[in-house]
Amino acid sequence: QLQLQESGPGLVKPSETLSLNCAVSGGSIDSSSYWGWVRQSAGKGLEWIGSIHYSGSTYYSPSLESRLVVSLDLSKNQFSLKLNSVTAADTAVYYCVRDMRFFDRGFDKWGQGTLVTVSS
Amino acid sequence: DIVVTQSPLSLPVTPGESASISCRSSQSLLHSNGNNYLDWYVQKPGQPPQLLIYLGSTRASGVPDRFSGSGSGTDFTLKISRVEAADVGVYYCMQALQTPAFGQGTRLEIK
Repeated sequence: QLQLQESGPGLVKPSETLSLNCAVSGGSIDSSSYWGWVRQSAGKGLEWIGSIHYSGSTYYSPSLESRLVVSLDLSKNQFSLKLNSVTAADTAVYYCVRDMRFFDRGFDKWGQGTLVTVSS
Repeated sequence: DIVVTQSPLSLPVTPGESASISCRSSQSLLHSNGNNYLDWYVQKPGQPPQLLIYLGSTRASGVPDRFSGSGSGTDFTLKISRVEAADVGVYYCMQALQTPAFGQGTRLEIK
């Protein structure tokens, strides 16, 4: 069964870069699927961040794309998120997801989520 | 940007009764291919959200038929029949026609 697991620092200083990885198990990342990130904060609720196809094509939220990079590591069967110049507004639980929107099936698999706090 | 708005925000329900949640979109979610790009998710306590329904009315794998989605264009409804204690959680709609956007969530609780 496909499983996703986020990992990364739980605390990031303001103005620095938030980096997270998502390990995919029970399936190959180089399938026809897209892979993405969604975050959840008290202030903004659930917010889609961006997605990537195994070919490397990326799709970013317009509100975040100037600070965002989503990438793949096929050799490790994982994908990653880098968000730079973070502020307290980026404090949230970050989920990695399998993005099946391009097949009309929404975000059908979610990781358990990881809390990232932006604070000095 | 397409905004989706849910109501009510809180929904107390007696076990065994039905519950309905409304989701309204600021623009039509009906694509020229005939599909409505509206998904429903539930987030149970301590868990990530999980997909319930996609394309407005198609249940995701493993979702009981007590859950049904309906609507078209800008008005959608999630109905839960014979509510159980295990249904407690926050229900979200999400428009998938453009940049994905979630509603504020509706908290279902048991009376």
